[in-house]
Amino acid sequence: QQQVKQSPQSLIVQKGGISIINCAYENTAFDYFPWYQQFPGKGPALLIAIRPDVSEKKEGRFTISFNKSAKQFSLHIMDSQPGDSATYFCAARTDKLIFGTGTRLQVFP
Amino acid sequence: NAGVTQTPKFQVLKTGQSMTLQCAQDMNHNSMYWYRQDPGMGLRLIYYSASEGTTDKGEVPNGYNVSRLNKREFSLRLESAAPSQTSVYFCASSVLAGGRSYEQYFGPGTRLTVT
Repeated sequence: QQQVKQSPQSLIVQKGGISIINCAYENTAFDYFPWYQQFPGKGPALLIAIRPDVSEKKEGRFTISFNKSAKQFSLHIMDSQPGDSATYFCAARTDKLIFGTGTRLQVFP
Repeated sequence: NAGVTQTPKFQVLKTGQSMTLQCAQDMNHNSMYWYRQDPGMGLRLIYYSASEGTTDKGEVPNGYNVSRLNKREFSLRLESAAPSQTSVYFCASSVLAGGRSYEQYFGPGTRLTVT
């Protein structure tokens, strides 16, 4: 019940395309859903986050869509750029963060 | 303002050797965390410290011990390293308030290989 399931494991997108990463959870006690971005050789860093009382949050080219009834949330990267190539982790919080297994995104020019 | 620092960056151990991974933060955060990252497994919590003087087990604590030395420092010890502990280890810190962890800030990681 504490798991966060993330898909796909890897994603290849052409420059300018839309990247979509999906996550699902079971525990209704989760109250905060962040996405972290990790570049090779670096630690993860917070990218964008959403609370369950909001259905969508947008920051620049990055959007989180949240479906509370389906217990699913997703990250959309519009106009994907080669500089977006990284590993993305979704997470969910109770007293600590539970991370998904990660998605390696590669954006080709 | 260095954020979260970790030492060493790389380490190779032989099976059965011991070592301590060091972590320090200068953001005055009350809670600190140790994760390991393995391919296809995401970030798994080993131990955490909600506040100075307290430590708790996470998802994968076996084979590890921790010490919250003071508010700034949180170390992870491998008493007898095993090849299964080959991984990248990340330390993180955050504000913990009302029983909830806020944004976690991660260090650069320690890449450990056990042969």
